[in-house]
This record gives sequence, C-alpha cells and structure tokens, in this order.
Amino acid sequence: GENVEQHPSTLSVQEGDSAVIKCTYSDSASNYFPWYKQELGKRPQLIIDIRSNVGEKKDQRIAVTLNKTAKHFSLHITETQPEDSAVYFCAASISSGGSNYKLTFGKGTLLTVNP
Amino acid sequence: DARVTQTPRHKVTEMGQEVTMRCQPILGHNTVFWYRQTMMQGLELLAYFRNRAPLDDSGMPKDRFSAEMPDATLATLKIQPSEPRDSAVYFCASGQNQPQHFGDGTRLSIL
Repeated sequence: GENVEQHPSTLSVQEGDSAVIKCTYSDSASNYFPWYKQELGKRPQLIIDIRSNVGEKKDQRIAVTLNKTAKHFSLHITETQPEDSAVYFCAASISSGGSNYKLTFGKGTLLTVNP
Repeated sequence: DARVTQTPRHKVTEMGQEVTMRCQPILGHNTVFWYRQTMMQGLELLAYFRNRAPLDDSGMPKDRFSAEMPDATLATLKIQPSEPRDSAVYFCASGQNQPQHFGDGTRLSIL
C-alpha cells in the first residue's frame, strides 16, 4: 500500500520567515495530494491540494509543489504569522473517475511561529 | 457552510462498555471515512464507505470494532467491548470526489 513520509516533525520559525514542509510517497499511481492544517483540539482542515497534472499551485501565502518523478511534494508558507502555528499533514491518494479514494497521511509537522 | 456532524463530542466510559459514535455526512457526499487519531500513530484510516457500501475496513480491529451506514445520512462506529487502548479522537470525514471534509471528532476516553 501507499506510504507517506513527512519531514520535519517539528519546525520553529520567526514571524515573517518562510516555512517548508516536505513529503514523499511510495505509490507512483497516487495522483491527488492535499494538505491539512489542524489546530490544537480542532479538526483537520484542508488548506490546499494539488493533482498530478500540475507542478505547482498557489493560494495567497501558501503554495504546494509536486515532483512526480521523484515522488515528493512540498508545502511552502511565506510571511508566516503566529496564527499559522498548528500541525500540518500531507496526504496522498489515488483519485479516479470522480470517486473519492482513501487518503494516506504523513505523521504531521508541528509548526510554531514565534512572534 | 455545510459540515460533517459527529456525536458525541466527548465520551468517558469504563472498559468493557459499548461505545457508539455517530456521524452525519455532508448532504450529497457519497463517501464516508472513519479515522482514529493518537499521538503515537497519527491519523489512521479505520474504514470507509461509498454509496453506503463498505469498501475497506482493513484498518479496524474486527473483533471489537464495527462500522455501518444504516442510511445515507448516518454512519456509526461501535466498539464492544471497549479497552483503554481505544482512547483516542475518532474523526469522520465525507467527500464527493475530492477533497474530504472532517467533522469535529469524538474524544473517547476509556478508563
């Protein structure tokens, strides 16, 4: 089955700096890669996703890049703010024919943004 | 803003008791997932359904866990008998195509 590795497990940055979280996946058939943000005691919430037919996607201060050949994808957060502090999860899935397939999650990265 | 609804939000009970967790998926979503989250194991998929049919429950301990979808608006996850190692946050998620949307979870403590 699919295996997703996520690094680093913890990341501490100063407010205004950039943060990068990296994930690798094992199944070359995976074609959908979402990122979820989970604040303490809350539910995971989707912040951005990317499909394998594109290499990069941006939404304001966050961006995701995908390298299909190397089977890795990354989350980039620029101009970090204290409210970005949370656990971030990457995931991989095979999505086909409009069907929603199961996600395999990484172990998560605890991001702390220091004021 | 449509949301996945889970009940109860918190549950504390003694080992050996039956626990039932409920999930109302977002209207129109045809796929429902059950996850368990712990510090040690992270987010683990327990089971999922598409159009109410179980597709994969390989992540679920079969001897004590069961998952069902009696109708399109209700999914249930039962543990009988419960054990202290079942203490975790259980999330339900639903989707129609991607992405999956998570409920607020049930925080379960087995004493």
